[in-house]
Amino acid sequence: LAKTTQPISMDSYEGQEVNITCSHNNIATNDYITWYQQFPSQGPRFIIQGYKTKVTNEVASLFIPADRKSSTLSLPRVSLSDTAVYYCLVGDLSNSNSGYALNFGKGTSLLVTP
Amino acid sequence: EPEVTQTPSHQVTQMGQEVILRCVPISNHLYFYWYRQILGQKVEFLVSFYNNEISEKSEIFDDQFSVERPDGSNFTLKIRSTKLEDSAMYFCASRKDRELYSNQPQHFGDGTRLSIL
Repeated sequence: LAKTTQPISMDSYEGQEVNITCSHNNIATNDYITWYQQFPSQGPRFIIQGYKTKVTNEVASLFIPADRKSSTLSLPRVSLSDTAVYYCLVGDLSNSNSGYALNFGKGTSLLVTP
Repeated sequence: EPEVTQTPSHQVTQMGQEVILRCVPISNHLYFYWYRQILGQKVEFLVSFYNNEISEKSEIFDDQFSVERPDGSNFTLKIRSTKLEDSAMYFCASRKDRELYSNQPQHFGDGTRLSIL
């Protein structure tokens, strides 16, 4: 699994757009980029996944440049309830030999304040 | 939306006792997982399970641990003789079978907090 690097923490005010960037310089050709969110005392929750370019859903957008060595999770107009830890994971989820185990790092702790 | 459910939400056990954590994965999912998270630390993979057998396990998943799918709906994690350091949140996750050219995410339950006294 590719090693990822993301900021330990970020602060934002309500209503602002938050962009969390993840570096994954040794990403492999078959690797996908997946972001999870975790609230205190809850399990990680899948947010978004992509392979290249841009992916958007009702929660977030994921921007992936052409070289795929980094990705940016964009949360539009955050609210207090977006305070959570955000994890960037990179791996070949189609590799059945791996059992598809997820390798979580420390993530980015986002604090949203009024 | 279908969810992974885990019971109990909190389990308190004396050191040395056996404990069984229970999970009901999403009904049409075929891959099952256990993870743990010690307080203040990162989520760690324990084991993955597919087609009634373990497909991968981590170094944490030693002989004290076992998993079972006793029926068509439950997925359990057993810790045979608990230690103080087993205190953690234990998360179950499930995933749909791999579809061609598709990467299915894992869906997590909200965990069981295991406290070993």
